[in-house]
Amino acid sequence: DSGVTQTPKHLITATGQRVTLRCSPRSGDLSVYWYQQSLDQGLQFLIQYYNGEERAKGNILERFSAQQFPDLHSELNLSSLELGDSALYFCASSRTLQGPSYNSPLHFGNGTRLTVT
Amino acid sequence: GENVEQHPSTLSVQEGDSAVIKCTYSDSASNYFPWYKQELGKGPQLIIDIRSNVGEKKDQRIAVTLNKTAKHFSLHITETQPEDSAVYFCAATFMYSGGGADGLTFGKGTHLIIQP
Repeated sequence: DSGVTQTPKHLITATGQRVTLRCSPRSGDLSVYWYQQSLDQGLQFLIQYYNGEERAKGNILERFSAQQFPDLHSELNLSSLELGDSALYFCASSRTLQGPSYNSPLHFGNGTRLTVT
Repeated sequence: GENVEQHPSTLSVQEGDSAVIKCTYSDSASNYFPWYKQELGKGPQLIIDIRSNVGEKKDQRIAVTLNKTAKHFSLHITETQPEDSAVYFCAATFMYSGGGADGLTFGKGTHLIIQP
């Protein structure tokens, strides 16, 4: 068990809808990362938060947004959903601001499988 | 940005044999190279990692080697067992545009199949 908790495990929704994915990082970790995993694109970095502040953005669509709360849990909001948004969404956490490193490795949750119909 | 190539995409080996997965990276500034194992229905799990000032690291049946000059690193699994069947991802750090922090770029994954 990595210590990173993600809910829900599965989500099925229709095109055009909005969903919220939730993540609780490992105890003591201040950085939260969101990744999207699809069969053809592999693991794609979406966004990083550190101690409540957005730190870096990857290939995140404008329809997607995230935030990190004072208790360090994070939520990823996906709106105006399209069929192509169906994927596994992973949250990961690490201890420091500076990103994954030997002293602060990245640990993943078990993901949320989103199916858009 | 950083690009990580991983080969092969699928690897089938007999139980007890060794398996080797290779990755190359493009950013010479990369300084941290973790490997993750992902089983069906689970998230990627860190299994071993190496930093750029080390050429090799071993942990029981798994080892990682790094050649910084050639910009490639490899995962070696010896005496493979059925529970080693999974998808394995390599990754390398890169500096976000604007600096100040690193991210991870992942390879596309290798589906390792252990034949009994």
